[in-house]
Amino acid sequence: EDKVVQSPLSLVVHEGDTVTLNCSYEVTNFRSLLWYKQEKKAPTFLFMLTSSGIEKKSGRLSSILDKKELSSILNITATQTGDSAIYLCAVETSGSRLTFGEGTQLTVNP
Amino acid sequence: DAGITQSPRYKITETGRQVTLMCHQTWSHSYMFWYRQDLGHGLRLIYYSAAADITDKGEVPDGYVVSRSKTENFPLTLESATRSQTSVYFCASSEIGTYSNQPQHFGDGTRLSIL
Repeated sequence: EDKVVQSPLSLVVHEGDTVTLNCSYEVTNFRSLLWYKQEKKAPTFLFMLTSSGIEKKSGRLSSILDKKELSSILNITATQTGDSAIYLCAVETSGSRLTFGEGTQLTVNP
Repeated sequence: DAGITQSPRYKITETGRQVTLMCHQTWSHSYMFWYRQDLGHGLRLIYYSAAADITDKGEVPDGYVVSRSKTENFPLTLESATRSQTSVYFCASSEIGTYSNQPQHFGDGTRLSIL
């Protein structure tokens, strides 16, 4: 059975802090790992990672995949209150199926 | 506007009733998916479809039925609703990629309560 585990499950920080969210996986037929941000409605796509060691960056957010360790991290620097959300990690396997972790609830206080 | 839309946004029904959740996408994506989101479980795949008239079970398909007669529509039916099916339901779509598919894009969800 495919499994994705995220940690921590919740995190409270102050504006300006840097946070690191973790995702580990045990799946068969790995194709890619994706990060999504979910505020009140639909999850919105952040990153798709297929190759180990190549950092993807978008503004203050960055992510990297380690296929040897079967894990990924999502970093957010200089956090803002607008970063408060649930961050979801998902792994794509054959048949284009996504297996999601439980998510990390990030709260950024002013 | 292009995108993926779900209807209704909110639905309250009673146990034993049939209810259908609608999903429509305007991108002509090949793949469509239904997920449910519950506290402590994250998003779990119910059913998915690789093309019109092709559907397959996901992780939690029991109690649900899907069809896909047209590429743009992927309705999800609860044939006899149970309280355990109270959840937020998300539809998603994606296009085929070379090695992995393009990222899935999600609708805004349907919040379903079964009394």
